[in-house]
Amino acid sequence: AQTVTQSQPEMSVQEAETVTLSCTYDTSENNYYLFWYKQPPSRQMILVIRQEAYKQQNATENRFSVNFQKAAKSFSLKISDSQLGDTAMYFCAFMKPRNSGNTPLVFGKGTRLSVIA
Amino acid sequence: DSGVTQTPKHLITATGQRVTLRCSPRSGDLSVYWYQQSLDQGLQFLIQYYNGEERAKGNILERFSAQQFPDLHSELNLSSLELGDSALYFCASSVGGGGGYGYTFGSGTRLTVV
Repeated sequence: AQTVTQSQPEMSVQEAETVTLSCTYDTSENNYYLFWYKQPPSRQMILVIRQEAYKQQNATENRFSVNFQKAAKSFSLKISDSQLGDTAMYFCAFMKPRNSGNTPLVFGKGTRLSVIA
Repeated sequence: DSGVTQTPKHLITATGQRVTLRCSPRSGDLSVYWYQQSLDQGLQFLIQYYNGEERAKGNILERFSAQQFPDLHSELNLSSLELGDSALYFCASSVGGGGGYGYTFGSGTRLTVV
């Protein structure tokens, strides 16, 4: 079974600074998808960014980018120019491709990020 | 508004009781997933339905059951409730059985068992 590990339970960053959240995963699959979800105090789960394993180029979405290291099974999230609204719980998640059967998103335990003014 | 509607938003009930949580998926989505998030924990997968049929099962207790109706809305039934069942229950939907585009989540139902 796939597992997702987030080794940093809590992190903090000064406003306007850059922070990197770590995620590692374990799988024997060659093709898969990786995601970062954000859960602010409202508890809503919001998709931040996704990465397809067969694409070598790292995904970016505005201030959010990933460092995908397939061989190392590492998928870190970098938040640039941190804003107070980035304060949230961040979850890393893994999904096998559809042709591997119906498998759900597997989540890590999350990293609580606090952005400090 | 994500397009996934969950009702009720909050539910307080006593131990031993039974409750039903409802989810309407985003328009066009055929898959519905249920997740449980206990206090300050990650999301634990419970069960998935695709176009009315059960497709995948996670760590769902025997006291819990779910179904997806012809109009694609889904209900999660929790019975013989215990204090430990207190959690945030999320419903999510996707177009297919998981094509790599992630899920769209509802805002959750917070269940408190007293």
